[in-house]
Amino acid sequence: GIQVEQSPPDLILQEGANSTLRCNFSDSVNNLQWFHQNPWGQLINLFYIPSGTKQNGRLSATTVATERYSLLYISSSQTTDSGVYFCAVQTGANNLFFGTGTRLTVIP
Amino acid sequence: DTGVSQDPRHKITKRGQNVTFRCDPISEHNRLYWYRQTLGQGPEFLTYFQNEAQLEKSRLLSDRFSAERPKGSFSTLEIQRTEQGDSAMYLCASTYRFLPLGALTGNEQFFGPGTRLTVL
Repeated sequence: GIQVEQSPPDLILQEGANSTLRCNFSDSVNNLQWFHQNPWGQLINLFYIPSGTKQNGRLSATTVATERYSLLYISSSQTTDSGVYFCAVQTGANNLFFGTGTRLTVIP
Repeated sequence: DTGVSQDPRHKITKRGQNVTFRCDPISEHNRLYWYRQTLGQGPEFLTYFQNEAQLEKSRLLSDRFSAERPKGSFSTLEIQRTEQGDSAMYLCASTYRFLPLGALTGNEQFFGPGTRLTVL
């Protein structure tokens, strides 16, 4: 199956700092989603972005499908941004394949 | 709240017991997925339904696991003769497969809060 690699695996930031999370995938995809998993396990949809660039407040994402990667940018980080960020891709019309996540800790 | 609900949120059981979880998807969605997530890993696909038909099962879904989606609405996932290795978070997701008239997006999956299973 398709391989999804996320980097870095762990990230510690001071509140107010910016960060970039990366997702590489090994094959063509027709769906790419970024999620934030909160401490209770809920996966929160951040972006549905099979290609192009989107922005939502302090978050933005870019997917370059031809080069098989996606980036998630977090600006002016807040302690509430802490948690695990997952990239997930879909080939065909079936299930999502998830990366192993980036654990973000924002310290005040 | 994504609109997908799961029940129960937590389940503790003894090895060898049977357990059943329920998922209620977003009402207009015709596809429903089950995933399993173990500690430190991303979710892994178990099975999915389109309406009431179960279209695919992963190798992770052993014979002790069965899933149903009667009438294409809610779904249940049953684990028989639970083992300690079944301890995990079980997640349900839903999406449109074919866009209904007026829908703005499709194919984006929305997840429920999960059922955390602990097998003692």
